[in-house]
Parts: sequence; structure tokens; C-alpha cells
Amino acid sequence: EPEVTQTPSHQVTQMGQEVILRCVPISNHLYFYWYRQILGQKVEFLVSFYNNEISEKSEIFDDQFSVERPDGSNFTLKIRSTKLEDSAMYFCASSDGQGRYNEQFFGPGTRLTVL
Amino acid sequence: DAKTTQPTSMDCAEGRAANLPCNHSTISGNEYVYWYRQIHSQGPQYIIHGLKNNETNEMASLIITEDRKSSTLILPHATLRDTAVYYCIVRVAHQAGTALIFGKGTTLSVSS
Repeated sequence: EPEVTQTPSHQVTQMGQEVILRCVPISNHLYFYWYRQILGQKVEFLVSFYNNEISEKSEIFDDQFSVERPDGSNFTLKIRSTKLEDSAMYFCASSDGQGRYNEQFFGPGTRLTVL
Repeated sequence: DAKTTQPTSMDCAEGRAANLPCNHSTISGNEYVYWYRQIHSQGPQYIIHGLKNNETNEMASLIITEDRKSSTLILPHATLRDTAVYYCIVRVAHQAGTALIFGKGTTLSVSS
């Protein structure tokens, strides 16, 4: 069964450093998403992406964040200058946008730890 | 903010049916009820969704009240692997690319 993959599984960085989280969505999917979950808290939507453009973003997704689909398979989330409060699990998801359901398929997540 | 209300936690014995309730009294006519679950910090997993009719798939059944203000997710024979946080979400199904807004969900603990 096709699945969303994410790398790395765990990323440790120093405050102020740039990080890039990588995702490979399901191959025939057209919509891509990033969510985050701070330890013990709710899953929060960050951004959705379609046709090489951001289609929706939350208040969390400020100028420190950017997304890119650099090639036909990868979807990345960049945090320019990490803060302690960016420590969280980051989940990538994708959906095909074609069917009735628009269910989103999530990857296993990247745990980001900012020191 | 999430438009649903769920109990914080529930317990269920292995092999028994788990019935997870959800209130969504402000649901609009074009909004569906979706259920996802999250097993121990893994990525959320889609379970089922419905508009107004009851739905069943290989994972679960979804019962929606006639007035659509509440619903119940039923896991007919819960196993230890069903221990997870279950999220009830209302959204317009055909709006591709829109966010899933997660609440705190219900933590289901299945024990032997």
C-alpha cells in the first residue's frame, strides 16, 4: 500500500539554525500538507500546497516557514531560524483531491528538537 | 477551533465494542463527519466519514443521528492495537486542500 514517508525521523538543531524537513507524498496525490504537534498538545495545521502554490495557511505559518516542491517527488518544510518553541512533531500529509473523500494520508512524522 | 465535542477518555475491554460519541451541534448542511485516530504519536490515520447515512467499512461503523448534531464511532471488536486518540472532525468533503482542524479527541484505552 502506498504511503507518505518523511526524513529524518528525528532532527536536533541549535536555536537560530535553519532546518529542512523532507516528505515524499503518495505518488499520484496532488495536495500536500504540513501539520505539527507540540508534545502533549493538539495536532495543528500549518499549510496546504497545490499546483506549486500555497492554498491555505494558518497563523502559525509565519515568515519563518516556507514550503517547496523542488522536484516531482519531494515536498519540504523549511524553518529559517528555529526557536525553542518550534520543538514538535511535524507531520506531512497528502491527498489526491480527486475522489469524494479527500482523505488525507499522514506520514510517520519528524521529531524536531531545538536546543 | 474544533467544531466538535468529545469525551476526554474512555476505556474498553478487549473484544468488546467501543462506542465513541461526538457532538457537532453546529454542523452545516454541506459538512461531513470525519474520524481519524492517532496511535502513540504516529501520524493520524483516516478511519471513516459520513454525511447523514450510517456508514461501515473494514475498520469501523459510523452512526449519525437524524438531526446530524451528534454521531458515534463504533469499533465492533476492540483490540489492544485500537488504543489511540480518536478525533471527530467536521469539514466540507469536496474542498480539496483544506485543513483538518483537530480537537483534543478521545483517548481510548483497550485493556485485556
